Amino acid sequence: DAGVIQSPRHEVTEMGQEVTLRCKPISGHDYLFWYRQTMMRGLELLIYFNNNVPIDDSGMPEDRFSAKMPNASFSTLKIQPSEPRDSAVYFCASREAGGSYNEQFFGPGTRLTVL
Amino acid sequence: SQQGEEDPQALSIQEGENATMNCSYKTSINNLQWYRQNSGRGLVHLILIRSNEREKHSGRLRVTLDTSKKSSSLLITASRAADTASYFCATDQTGANNLFFGTGTRLTVIP
Repeated sequence: DAGVIQSPRHEVTEMGQEVTLRCKPISGHDYLFWYRQTMMRGLELLIYFNNNVPIDDSGMPEDRFSAKMPNASFSTLKIQPSEPRDSAVYFCASREAGGSYNEQFFGPGTRLTVL
Repeated sequence: SQQGEEDPQALSIQEGENATMNCSYKTSINNLQWYRQNSGRGLVHLILIRSNEREKHSGRLRVTLDTSKKSSSLLITASRAADTASYFCATDQTGANNLFFGTGTRLTVIP
């Protein structure tokens, strides 16, 4: 398996623009997690899905952020409109249900810069 | 916060020395995991220790867990320059499906 795939790897955009980050989890994994990492706040869980259903979105910073998982092999995280404080590295991770003690597999991340 | 706290925040050692990182947490756990993150990369799972275990080894890694003190330590023996990375502890907490990550320790191994 290719592991968790994220795209794009880097995104530079201007304030006010819409940003869409994409993730393909490992095939057969039932859980998908979106994280944000910054120097100031560390690694923050934004939202996670189980079997394509959002379970906990309490980490989503505000209404400008939305996430979807239309099928088992694809998820998006959208920011509209983007702001400079959204600049961060966004990670997607997946794991099996009842898998190896909740071990998560991370993608390489998307580095977002909002000017 | 349910996140763990790690110390030190940063550690710099010479190649060949041992590196010890500590993690403290606040709630009941099923297991505790350690992850590594190289600069510009995602996190990679290193080792897991279950709540009923006290010590575990994997190669040059040694993890201890003290559930009475709600703390864990990661020891890397005979460090190498390639061990330079950030190390995070993550707790699998009772009743939760997600992991709670610590703040991380930035390890620099000087050749």
